[in-house]
Amino acid sequence: EVQLVESGGGLVQPGGSLRLSCAASGFTFSSYWMHWVRQAPGKGLVWVSRINSDGSSTSYVDSVKGRFTISRDNAKNTLYMQMNSLRAEDTAVYYCARHFPAKQWLDYWGQGTPVTVSS
Amino acid sequence: DIQMTQSPSSLSASLGDRVTITCRASQSIGNYLNWYQQKPGKAPKLLIYAASTLQSGVPSRFSGSGSGTDFTLTITTLQPEDFATYYCQQTYSTPWTFGQGTKVEIK
Repeated sequence: EVQLVESGGGLVQPGGSLRLSCAASGFTFSSYWMHWVRQAPGKGLVWVSRINSDGSSTSYVDSVKGRFTISRDNAKNTLYMQMNSLRAEDTAVYYCARHFPAKQWLDYWGQGTPVTVSS
Repeated sequence: DIQMTQSPSSLSASLGDRVTITCRASQSIGNYLNWYQQKPGKAPKLLIYAASTLQSGVPSRFSGSGSGTDFTLTITTLQPEDFATYYCQQTYSTPWTFGQGTKVEIK
């Protein structure tokens, strides 16, 4: 069974840092590109970042460029998001999701981890 | 960035109704269009990919159509479990962008 389990969310002050993790199981993690998608309270889905299968290529939405860094450890079947210089507008539930190369859709999502940026 | 606009933002419907949700892209995206369903407090679930292909396990009352800039999600014979928010998403180019969502509520 495919599972994606996020962790690492919590309450952080503006300007602070947080590292999210997404533990994958039930599939060949190293074959999939991985994504982070966030959802602010009561709002819609926003794609945040993605990383290719071997970690050599990444992409970000403009609003997090230079502050967030996506990475992965294929030996540990884990996806990460290092979030620095956090702002109130980064408050959201963060989901990880996967897509198989050449299949441009997110077929499995984790349950999400909440991040609250507040003083 | 490609903007995705859904309409309506919300709708009220009764059990058994036929529901249609529209998604428009700000430029042509071919068939790089997916639909997701999200229930409160839950992760999104893939319903339809590549504009019209039903994801495995999704009931056949869901269907998708369109190409280029205009797309449609149709639910025939609305069931109790279909009351949720639906999002379209383009994957033609990065950043992958979502529509603002359409909330389907019980009339």
